[in-house]
Amino acid sequence: DGGITQSPKYLFRKEGQNVTLSCEQNLNHDAMYWYRQDPGQGLRLIYYSQIVNDFQKGDIAEGYSVSREKKESFPLTVTSAQKNPTAFYLCASSIFSRNEQFFGPGTRLTVL
Amino acid sequence: KQEVTQIPAALSVPEGENLVLNCSFTDSAIYNLQWFRQDPGKGLTSLLLIQSSQREQTSGRLNASLDKSSGRSTLYIAASQPGDSATYLCAVSTTDSWGKLQFGAGTQVVVTP
Repeated sequence: DGGITQSPKYLFRKEGQNVTLSCEQNLNHDAMYWYRQDPGQGLRLIYYSQIVNDFQKGDIAEGYSVSREKKESFPLTVTSAQKNPTAFYLCASSIFSRNEQFFGPGTRLTVL
Repeated sequence: KQEVTQIPAALSVPEGENLVLNCSFTDSAIYNLQWFRQDPGKGLTSLLLIQSSQREQTSGRLNASLDKSSGRSTLYIAASQPGDSATYLCAVSTTDSWGKLQFGAGTQVVVTP
């Protein structure tokens, strides 16, 4: 069953804590993306990666970090430097040439 | 910078009526435009992808048109059903920022039985 999985579904973070959100895809897609969604707003791009071991900052990268060691995986770390991390985080992937993006089910992060 | 606008923000229609959802963008140098559906608390489901060279794309009851010169796309959903209730988002990628989608804020649709 091909698709994108994100875990956990819900995540709670204490002040000053780093947390890592998982994103895995078995679609053999080259590119992967992380977005943040806040209520009433469109999605905003945090980071994206077109190939393994390479990634670029999106529009709101401050306070976040990523790695792309495997084609299938693109984890996102929300660091303590991110002052307002409570949001819904969505991971996506696409075939490099077509740029049709497919999304995972999301992780809801709440700061306690 | 590309800006994407979706009006109205919310829409309620009786079952059976056709839905017309609008998306406008400021930079006509687009690579493609994608329409998505999002149910509450869920991820996005891709509905239609229109390449910049296309004028429209169809899938079942859905039809999306693209007019680059006027910076507009319209999603038509024929004979709406309560199961069509969701938020619909459009997103655009431009030729100078390939891979980066710029999203509108979405139109929340309620189809009443």
